[in-house]
Amino acid sequence: KQEVTQIPAALSVPEGENLVLNCSFTDSAIYNLQWFRQDPGKGLTSLLLIQSSQREQTSGRLNASLDKSSGRSTLYIAASQPGDSATYLCAGRRSNDYKLSFGAGTTVTVRA
Amino acid sequence: EPEVTQTPSHQVTQMGQEVILRCVPISNHLYFYWYRQILGQKVEFLVSFYNNEISEKSEIFDDQFSVERPDGSNFTLKIRSTKLEDSAMYFCASSRQGDYGYTFGSGTRLTVV
Repeated sequence: KQEVTQIPAALSVPEGENLVLNCSFTDSAIYNLQWFRQDPGKGLTSLLLIQSSQREQTSGRLNASLDKSSGRSTLYIAASQPGDSATYLCAGRRSNDYKLSFGAGTTVTVRA
Repeated sequence: EPEVTQTPSHQVTQMGQEVILRCVPISNHLYFYWYRQILGQKVEFLVSFYNNEISEKSEIFDDQFSVERPDGSNFTLKIRSTKLEDSAMYFCASSRQGDYGYTFGSGTRLTVV
């Protein structure tokens, strides 16, 4: 079973600071890992998808890395803005099934 | 950008009643899923559906639950005889195939009273 952990549970930073969000997973036979954003009471918006053969993916101010050997993924958000305030979830998929295992998320607050 | 559409956005039902949650996945996607998130908890997998049958289900997905793709566009989750503990946000998701990521809908908030 894939267990996914996200630390810290919450993070508060001043605007302009870079954000580093951590995700760890127990099963190194990961097929891909996806980062999502969730606003309060809302759905899940996909941010980045990293395949197991990739080391990182970038989209605008977002960069996600994947290290299968250590069981870790990191989401970097450069030059944070108040609009980045949300909960960020990572979810991993194992090689032998299609379901995603989610972490509990990191709730980010960017102070203006 | 194609979207997964879920209706209704909110549903309140009395304990013991049946509810049907509806989803329209992205049209060229082949895999369909239901997940749920109890308030303050992790998003949990319920069921995956491919080629008109359940491909995998979790321990949560017992005989109380069923899924159906009644036509070429809709994907439904039925909960029979709802319980208080079924109160949660239910998310539908779809994916084109295994190599691609998931697209989630905006969710249906189910409240059982």
